[in-house]
Amino acid sequence: DVKVTQSSRYLVKRTGEKVFLECVQDMDHENMFWYRQDPGLGLRLIYFSYDVKMKEKGDIPEGYSVSREKKERFSLILESASTNQTSMYLCASSTLGTGLNTEAFFGQGTRLTVV
Amino acid sequence: EDQVTQSPEALRLQEGESSSLNCSYTVSGLRGLFWYRQDPGKGPEFLFTLYSAGEEKEKERLKATLTKKESFLHITAPKPEDSATYLCAVHDPKGATNKLIFGTGTLLAVQP
Repeated sequence: DVKVTQSSRYLVKRTGEKVFLECVQDMDHENMFWYRQDPGLGLRLIYFSYDVKMKEKGDIPEGYSVSREKKERFSLILESASTNQTSMYLCASSTLGTGLNTEAFFGQGTRLTVV
Repeated sequence: EDQVTQSPEALRLQEGESSSLNCSYTVSGLRGLFWYRQDPGKGPEFLFTLYSAGEEKEKERLKATLTKKESFLHITAPKPEDSATYLCAVHDPKGATNKLIFGTGTLLAVQP
């Protein structure tokens, strides 16, 4: 079975802290994604990466950065956490090719609360 | 504009009462339409991929169908354990990186 594992299910951080969310996948997927999910807004793409050390901004990158030093690991960094970054964060991975088996698989999510 | 719209936003069914969820899309050159199930507080779970109009996929009480403009998720004789949010997504046609464009989901509640 495909496995996407996020390092924490729940996190509580203080305003101004630097926060690291880690994600690991075991399917040798080229693509990895970070989304946030908020009630009424759906899933919004923060950043994605299609190769090691490659990254592209998604729809809402402000206040976030990412790191992909190894193919299986994709980290989301909140440089200085703010209360409006309280949300559910979801990591996903998929292949880069076209055709069959291009679906994305998600981790279990990290519920981050910034106080 | 490329987008995905799901309806209804919420649906309440009695156990055994069949119904359908809708996902309409406006993207050029569809490369895949995906259905996911999401339970509260968890990540989305992949259900189906549809690639071309006329295609159908089934899994237990769920059947997904695809036309050139929309997809339906048919739920036959649902049970309370089918209660979840169902998400629809398509590949973003811009670029070849397989980014997904998601709808906002349909919250399904099946009452015993």
